[in-house]
Amino acid sequence: GENVEQHPSTLSVQEGDSAVIKCTYSDSASNYFPWYKQELGKRPQLIIDIRSNVGEKKDQRIAVTLNKTAKHFSLHITETQPEDSAVYFCAASRAGGTSYGKLTFGQGTILTVHP
Amino acid sequence: EAQVTQNPRYLITVTGKKLTVTCSQNMNHEYMSWYRQDPGLGLRQIYYSMNVEVTDKGDVPEGYKVSRKEKRNFPLILESPSPNQTSLYFCASFDKSNTEAFFGQGTRLTVV
Repeated sequence: GENVEQHPSTLSVQEGDSAVIKCTYSDSASNYFPWYKQELGKRPQLIIDIRSNVGEKKDQRIAVTLNKTAKHFSLHITETQPEDSAVYFCAASRAGGTSYGKLTFGQGTILTVHP
Repeated sequence: EAQVTQNPRYLITVTGKKLTVTCSQNMNHEYMSWYRQDPGLGLRQIYYSMNVEVTDKGDVPEGYKVSRKEKRNFPLILESPSPNQTSLYFCASFDKSNTEAFFGQGTRLTVV
C-alpha cells in the first residue's frame, strides 16, 4: 500500500518568513495530493490540493509543488502569520476506482509562527 | 449546512465495555471513512465504506467494527475496548467529484 513520509515534524519560523513542508510517497499510481490544516482542538480542513497532471498550484500565500519523478510534493507558505500556526498534514491517494477515498496521510508538521 | 457530525465528542470508558461512536453526514456522499489520530503518527485509516453495505479495512482495523446500513450513517464500534485504543477519532465523508474529505469534529476516547 501507499506510504507517505512528512518532514519536518516541527517547524518554527518568525512572522513574515516562509515555511516549507515536504512529503514523499511510495505508490507511483497515486494521483491526488491534498494538504490539510488542523488548528488546535479542531478538525482537519483542506487548504490546497494538486493532481498528478499539474506541477504547481498557488492560492494566495500558499503553494504546492509536485515532482512525480521523484515522488515528492511540498507545501510552501509565504509571509507567514501567527494564524498560520497549526498542524499540517499531507496526503496521497488514487482518486477514482475501487481505491477511492483511501487517503494515506503523512505524520504531520507542527508549524509555529512567532510574532 | 453541509456537515459531518460525530458523537460523543469526549468519552472515558473502561476496558472491555462495548461502545459505539456515531457519524452522520448530510451531503449524500457515498464514501466515508474512519481515522485515528495519534501524536507523531498522523491520521491512520481504520475502515472505509464506498457505499451502503460496502465496507473495507483500512490500515489499522484490529479491534474495530463498522457498519453502513444507511448512506448517511457510518458508526464505529469497539466491541471490547483496550487502553491502546485511547486516541482521537475522526469520521470523514468524501465528495466524489472533488475528492475532498470533510471531517467530523472528532471524538477523544480514553480507555482506562
